[in-house]
Amino acid sequence: NAGVTQTPKFRILKIGQSMTLQCTQDMNHNYMYWYRQDPGMGLKLIYYSVGAGITDKGEVPNGYNVSRSTTEDFPLRLELAAPSQTSVYFCASEGGQGFATEAFFGQGTRLTVV
Amino acid sequence: AQKVTQAQTEISVVEKEDVTLDCVYETRDTTYYLFWYKQPPSGELVFLIRRNSFDEQNEISGRYSWNFQKSTSSFNFTITASQVVDSAVYFCALTSGSSNTGKLIFGQGTTLQVKP
Repeated sequence: NAGVTQTPKFRILKIGQSMTLQCTQDMNHNYMYWYRQDPGMGLKLIYYSVGAGITDKGEVPNGYNVSRSTTEDFPLRLELAAPSQTSVYFCASEGGQGFATEAFFGQGTRLTVV
Repeated sequence: AQKVTQAQTEISVVEKEDVTLDCVYETRDTTYYLFWYKQPPSGELVFLIRRNSFDEQNEISGRYSWNFQKSTSSFNFTITASQVVDSAVYFCALTSGSSNTGKLIFGQGTTLQVKP
């Protein structure tokens, strides 16, 4: 039972480069989320999706894009990496019975932009 | 606006001591949910508890207990007889009925260090 799987675990990007953080869940959850965690801070919501084909912005969406073509996958795209995007990124999924069932988190992707 | 405040940035205790982690929240919604997550040094987030706004009963799970008080907008977490393995960052989080999506508002986290 894999749960939520994120790849890669670590990545170093140069300023201006692009990359996609992958997230896959095998729990058939409708709701998926991307959060970022800056040092010494709590997690902040970047984007979320309530189902395939539906995405919406969270608290800190600038510089990111997402898509949700399937229930399982929710990739996060960084188009022009900036040092301010150095962070740990967490993907999460939730069953989506309204809200507030337990959210399951991936292991995180540590991204450094230099 | 919704907000979660964990005023204690870092706490250090000696093993077997009891420790309480504070969490104060703000929301205008009458329906909301509160969570605690643990983030050990390995980095993953581990779900500990969920409590809805209509259930003010305190909860105990082994050495862990939670005190939910709507009158003071607090949802405090106590570890009894702490152990070194309890060393981690602990996050309190909130989601409310108005969003209806389970989006979480996290506090800044409290780093707990338990020394042997």
